[in-house]
Amino acid sequence: AQSVTQLGSHVSVSEGALVLLRCNYSSSVPPYLFWYVQYPNQGLQLLLKYTSAATLVKGINGFEAEFKKSETSFHLTKPSAHMSDAAEYFCAVPANAGNMLTFGGGTRLMVKP
Amino acid sequence: GAGVSQSPRYKVAKRGQDVALRCDPISGHVSLFWYQQALGQGPEFLTYFQNEAQLDKSGLPSDRFFAERPEGSVSTLKIQRTQQEDSAVYLCASSLHSHQPQHFGDGTRLSIL
Repeated sequence: AQSVTQLGSHVSVSEGALVLLRCNYSSSVPPYLFWYVQYPNQGLQLLLKYTSAATLVKGINGFEAEFKKSETSFHLTKPSAHMSDAAEYFCAVPANAGNMLTFGGGTRLMVKP
Repeated sequence: GAGVSQSPRYKVAKRGQDVALRCDPISGHVSLFWYQQALGQGPEFLTYFQNEAQLDKSGLPSDRFFAERPEGSVSTLKIQRTQQEDSAVYLCASSLHSHQPQHFGDGTRLSIL
């Protein structure tokens, strides 16, 4: 079954610094990959979705992610962190033929002023 | 509103009581999912509906958990004889079809005393 692993349960950056949140998928190439963001006491909001159409995916709020087959990775980046980016970020992959999602353990992003 | 709506937002129950959690998906969305999110973890799949048909309930942790979507719209997740380990946030998500991005509600935070 497909799975994703997020390295680093907590990441702390200074405001204005580069954000890099790591996600690796299991060996077989998935048809889709997702990044979601969760603010406190809220549900998950879709940041971006990878399909096979493009390896570099741009999402909302200035985030983007690059699919790298050679590294089985789909890391999330943002050039300049903002205080409002502080939240929990989840990488996810369809568990089977496109139905339920399997989520990584999440990475809590903290942004220091 | 146009998003997924869940009620109640918070539910406190005594161990042994039955609870019912409601999900109003986005109008017209065929697929509906329930996830359980324990504190500090990623969501885990519980069950999946396509219209009124429950196509996958492999994630339900025990026979105390029951979900329905009788008219292919609103869904209810019922937990009988609640236990302390049932304390979690229960998230509902809907999508236009399977393979489409899932839109999440804000969840119901269930606390079992």
